[in-house]
Amino acid sequence: GDSVTQMEGPVTLSEEAFLTINCTYTATGYPSLFWYVQYPGEGLQLLLKATKADDKGSNKGFEATYRKETTSFHLEKGSVQVSDSAVYFCALSEGTGGFKTIFGAGTRLFVKA
Amino acid sequence: NAGVTQTPKFRILKIGQSMTLQCTQDMNHNYMYWYRQDPGMGLKLIYYSVGAGITDKGEVPNGYNVSRSTTEDFPLRLELAAPSQTSVYFCASSSGSGYGYTFGSGTRLTVV
Repeated sequence: GDSVTQMEGPVTLSEEAFLTINCTYTATGYPSLFWYVQYPGEGLQLLLKATKADDKGSNKGFEATYRKETTSFHLEKGSVQVSDSAVYFCALSEGTGGFKTIFGAGTRLFVKA
Repeated sequence: NAGVTQTPKFRILKIGQSMTLQCTQDMNHNYMYWYRQDPGMGLKLIYYSVGAGITDKGEVPNGYNVSRSTTEDFPLRLELAAPSQTSVYFCASSSGSGYGYTFGSGTRLTVV
């Protein structure tokens, strides 16, 4: 079945460092891909998305490109801030079966001042 | 614009008790979902609904029940609570493929 694998955390960076969180997926069809962010004590929030191959999703300085050939959707940000400290989830959703979403295990990011 | 509202935010249950977690959305979304989040385990789908009167099981439905009598409401019922149901529960809604989910703020449930 479909699955999402993302790099284990925690990831600890200094402020203004470059961020990459790796995400790869397995899917039988052509899923939409997402990154969600969860701040402490809150629900998940949609960060960015891409619905077809070679699409680039972007939001708040974060970017991810849908790479069908490598089945990847890596999250990047050029300069992280302390306020980016959170848990990041990669996810996929197929176009059938009620558009259920499968989530990765999450990667916790700590950014130090 | 409230989005997805979940109540209660916290609850402690004794083993064998029952309760209903409430979820309401005001975005007229057809699709609604219940997930549980265990530490370091990501989210697991419990039940989902594609519209009023239609529900289906997800990955971990045992010990839970749902109903969807209106587009807005999607309550989750726990019968005979067990310690294994200690978790954080999230309700979400969506308008369909490619749009992503809107999540509620969650219910932290402890069964003792």
